[in-house]
Amino acid sequence: AIQLTQSPSSLSASVGDRVTITCRASQGISSALAWYQQKPGKAPKLLIYDASSLESGVPSRFSGSGSGTDFTLTISSLQPEDFATYYCQQFNSYVTFGQGTKLEIK
Amino acid sequence: QVQLVESGGGVVQPGGSLRLSCAASGFTFSSYGMHWVRQAPGKGLEWVAFIRYDGSNKYYADSVKGRFTISRDNSKNTLYLQMNSLRAEDTAVYYCAKDSIVGANGVHAFDIWGQGTMVTVSS
Repeated sequence: AIQLTQSPSSLSASVGDRVTITCRASQGISSALAWYQQKPGKAPKLLIYDASSLESGVPSRFSGSGSGTDFTLTISSLQPEDFATYYCQQFNSYVTFGQGTKLEIK
Repeated sequence: QVQLVESGGGVVQPGGSLRLSCAASGFTFSSYGMHWVRQAPGKGLEWVAFIRYDGSNKYYADSVKGRFTISRDNSKNTLYLQMNSLRAEDTAVYYCAKDSIVGANGVHAFDIWGQGTMVTVSS
């Protein structure tokens, strides 16, 4: 099974900061990667699909990049509503999620 | 609007069974693959199962293979998850989610999620 490792597991940042979260796959997955945001008590929300495509309605401060085994999610200027947990997901071979990155207010 | 609503969760004893339902509305249910994803309390997301738009292909996580069965009734716009031989480690919020690509054979990103239903396995 393909494993996804996110780093860091947690992150403290301030409003206005630029933040990058990394997701590494245990084997190549082409661009079959998505990023989700989850807030406490809520369902996950799709942000990025196919590694770098922005889901409709998602603010342009979110961006994704990478292919093969190494991927990043970048938030260009953190807003108060962005503090949440972020998950990467691969769908190249069945489905796997990363362990999550909790983004907290500094 | 596009919506998924899960139901059927509850408390069940170890070894017991439960059937979850997911009612879809606002889109052509019969054209999209569907998934179940779970999240144990305080833990991350775990994919559970997938069913193709026409029900012809089904995939399962190793952790539930042989115990859980995914199915769908396209005439009722409803997805199901039959859970048998439940264990304490199956305790989680269960979400249904819609695959993002119409008429696809495989799996893609999940663009719509339900609100989840809680399953607790405890004696």
